[in-house]
Amino acid sequence: DAGVIQSPRHEVTEMGQEVTLRCKPISGHNSLFWYRQTMMRGLELLIYFNNNVPIDDSGMPEDRFSAKMPNASFSTLKIQPSEPRDSAVYFCASSLRINSPLHFGNGTRLTVT
Amino acid sequence: TQLLEQSPQFLSIQEGENLTVYCNSSSVFSSLQWYRQEPGEGPVLLVTVVTGGEVKKLKRLTFQFGDARKDSSLHITAAQPGDTGLYLCAGEARDDKIIFGKGTRLHILP
Repeated sequence: DAGVIQSPRHEVTEMGQEVTLRCKPISGHNSLFWYRQTMMRGLELLIYFNNNVPIDDSGMPEDRFSAKMPNASFSTLKIQPSEPRDSAVYFCASSLRINSPLHFGNGTRLTVT
Repeated sequence: TQLLEQSPQFLSIQEGENLTVYCNSSSVFSSLQWYRQEPGEGPVLLVTVVTGGEVKKLKRLTFQFGDARKDSSLHITAAQPGDTGLYLCAGEARDDKIIFGKGTRLHILP
């Protein structure tokens, strides 16, 4: 079991640039979640998928954020254009089913200057 | 909106001491999970509690789910430096989403 794999681990970019974060969930897991973590707000759910279909994106802060899951083994979270307030650690997690315990990746630390 | 409040936010104690951290809400949750997160890593599940009043033990860690399924506690006996980390509680909300508290940052001094 390789666990949830996220890339890159660190991303530093300038304001206005496009950022794409990637996630490979655990094989056989049907649900995938994108969270953002900051000191001020803790872990916030951005969006989650079940069987590759987006179920709830109410946590996505703005239209600048978008997420896709083209197949069961890959998801992306894109920010375009990025802003300094997007700086945070972004986590991807997967689970067997919607309400099963979550398995997290090690996150992508995003810094927007 | 269902919220989970964790207390204390920060706790620093000496090795060997006992401690309890809390997770409270005004809402009922179907289940509640506890995770530990270490620097540079994602949260890792410690336990899930489902039944009101349920108590689960994991070595020196004791987890309890409140009778009304609105709150939970984590008690650590004889804390060790290896227990240092961010402890997060997470609840399964009405719409099946897992929402997190902001966590208790625990530091055990050797």
